[in-house]
Amino acid sequence: AQTVTQSQPEMSVQEAETVTLSCTYDTSESDYYLFWYKQPPSRQMILVIRQEAYKQQNATENRFSVNFQKAAKSFSLKISDSQLGDAAMYFCAYKMFSGGYNKLIFGAGTRLAVHP
Amino acid sequence: NAGVTQTPKFQVLKTGQSMTLQCAQDMNHNSMYWYRQDPGMGLRLIYYSASEGTTDKGEVPNGYNVSRLNKREFSLRLESAAPSQTSVYFCASSGPLDSSPLHFGNGTRLTVT
Repeated sequence: AQTVTQSQPEMSVQEAETVTLSCTYDTSESDYYLFWYKQPPSRQMILVIRQEAYKQQNATENRFSVNFQKAAKSFSLKISDSQLGDAAMYFCAYKMFSGGYNKLIFGAGTRLAVHP
Repeated sequence: NAGVTQTPKFQVLKTGQSMTLQCAQDMNHNSMYWYRQDPGMGLRLIYYSASEGTTDKGEVPNGYNVSRLNKREFSLRLESAAPSQTSVYFCASSGPLDSSPLHFGNGTRLTVT
């Protein structure tokens, strides 16, 4: 069964510094998608970045980038120049295809605190 | 553009009461989902629907029923609420591509006493 593991329940970073959130997953599939979602205190789930497994190039969205290591089944999120608004829960997710359905499997989340 | 709309935002039930959580999307998506979020466990899939008229169980379906009323609406029903169903519930929808992300509603915080 596919699983997603986020081994850091909490992380903290100083404003303007860089932080990396870890995520590993388990799958026997060769083609899949990975996502990072942000959940601020408002509870809204916001897509941060996505990565296609068949692409070797790491995805980047402004200050957010990933380090995708397919062989190691690792998908970490790097936040550069951290801002107070980055404080949130971050969820790593793996998208699987089963019986014609696309389903997202989530990790337990990492709570990120940003200190001024 | 409303996206995915869930109602209500908050609900308190007594054990044994029933209720229906409503969800509607205006993005013309075929796939819709219900997740629950509990501390330390991330989001877990309750039920999903690939298209109007079809539903299937996810990881934690016990105690819930769903209805895909039409393409836009996907409701979640608790027939006899239990304290273990205290959680935050999210509805989501997804476009047709494998790369399509899920778009989430703002969640319903449900407390069962």
